[in-house]
Amino acid sequence: EPEVTQTPSHQVTQMGQEVILRCVPISNHLYFYWYRQILGQKVEFLVSFYNNEISEKSEIFDDQFSVERPDGSNFTLKIRSTKLEDSAMYFCASRLREGNYGYTFGSGTRLTVV
Amino acid sequence: AQSVTQPDIHITVSEGASLELRCNYSYGATPYLFWYVQSPGQGLQLLLKYFSGDTLVQGIKGFEAEFKRSQSSFNLRKPSVHWSDAAEYFCAVGATGGYQKVTFGTGTKLQVIP
Repeated sequence: EPEVTQTPSHQVTQMGQEVILRCVPISNHLYFYWYRQILGQKVEFLVSFYNNEISEKSEIFDDQFSVERPDGSNFTLKIRSTKLEDSAMYFCASRLREGNYGYTFGSGTRLTVV
Repeated sequence: AQSVTQPDIHITVSEGASLELRCNYSYGATPYLFWYVQSPGQGLQLLLKYFSGDTLVQGIKGFEAEFKRSQSSFNLRKPSVHWSDAAEYFCAVGATGGYQKVTFGTGTKLQVIP
């Protein structure tokens, strides 16, 4: 079964540093998402991306965050200047088209900011 | 706005006993509904989903869920729990319009005792 692949599985970064989390969505999917789960809390929506632009974002997704689909296969989340509170598990997801039939999550990247 | 309530933060059951995890949702139309399972430090695994049709949905690992529109509920059940089912379970609702972000509940942590 096709998978959404996320790399790395765990990343440690120093506060103030930029970090890029990478995702390879399922190849024929058209809608892409990032979600975040702070340890012990629920999974929260960050941003959705369609047709090479952000379609919806949450209040969490401030100017420190950006997303990009640089080459037609990767989908990245960049945090410009990481804060301690950015430590979380970040999940990428993708979907084929209208309807949630193909909504698939990756296994996540655990980001630890020290 | 869509929302999900999982009233039980923590549930303990004996191995072999039956299980029911509660989920109530709020959404203006017929929603897409999901149950995910997450083992410690791991990603989200889809157990089952409901889009339309038969309100009793069968999933993986012997789980099932029933959509009850009148009660705005989508409770997860399993007739006989195994020790390997110990994990955290998240109910989620997906918007049927827009870019179809998914909203998660706060999760129910399941402990299985011998």
